[in-house]
Amino acid sequence: DGGITQSPKYLFRKEGQNVTLSCEQNLNHDAMYWYRQDPGQGLRLIYYSQIVNDFQKGDIAEGYSVSREKKESFPLTVTSAQKNPTAFYLCASSPRAVEAFFGQGTRLTVV
Amino acid sequence: RKEVEQDPGPFNVPEGATVAFNCTYSNSASQSFFWYRQDCRKEPKLLMSVYSSGNEDGRFTAQLNRASQYISLLIRDSKLSDSATYLCVVNIANAGNMLTFGGGTRLMVKP
Repeated sequence: DGGITQSPKYLFRKEGQNVTLSCEQNLNHDAMYWYRQDPGQGLRLIYYSQIVNDFQKGDIAEGYSVSREKKESFPLTVTSAQKNPTAFYLCASSPRAVEAFFGQGTRLTVV
Repeated sequence: RKEVEQDPGPFNVPEGATVAFNCTYSNSASQSFFWYRQDCRKEPKLLMSVYSSGNEDGRFTAQLNRASQYISLLIRDSKLSDSATYLCVVNIANAGNMLTFGGGTRLMVKP
């Protein structure tokens, strides 16, 4: 089945650790996105990528890093520089200028 | 000013009521428009695209007003299952086809 897969579904991080969230899609979409959602809030864009080996910062990129070495994959690393990383992270992909398809999300909690 | 703005609500309506949400966008180069539905602790899912001529899907009607730069969603005969957060999404053509989300409007349909 075609789709977008995020893993893990739940992730716990100790303070000062880097963690990487996985996002894979087999929809052959050019664009991929990472969003952060805090409780009761909307989606805020962290990073997005329109093509392989290219990505741009979104509104809240500080403390995060990404790579786009393959069209199918767009992993997000939450670094120790991100001071308040506990949130719901959503990855999406889309063909150009049309709708986005979302993964099921990763809930990250700092312990 | 945010690029895409929505009234966060909540809108509390009785079953069977008609309810409407608006979403304003600031960038006149916005090209494509969508309404997404997000259930609690789940990923957003496409509800409907918004076409220039307006479009209807069952009890849901979407309208676009380019002159005033807003889109609307009308829900007729509300059901309990319509309770969710409704996200307005805009694709800005001159920003690399980046999808920008509004903060969402929460709807609660009560018996």
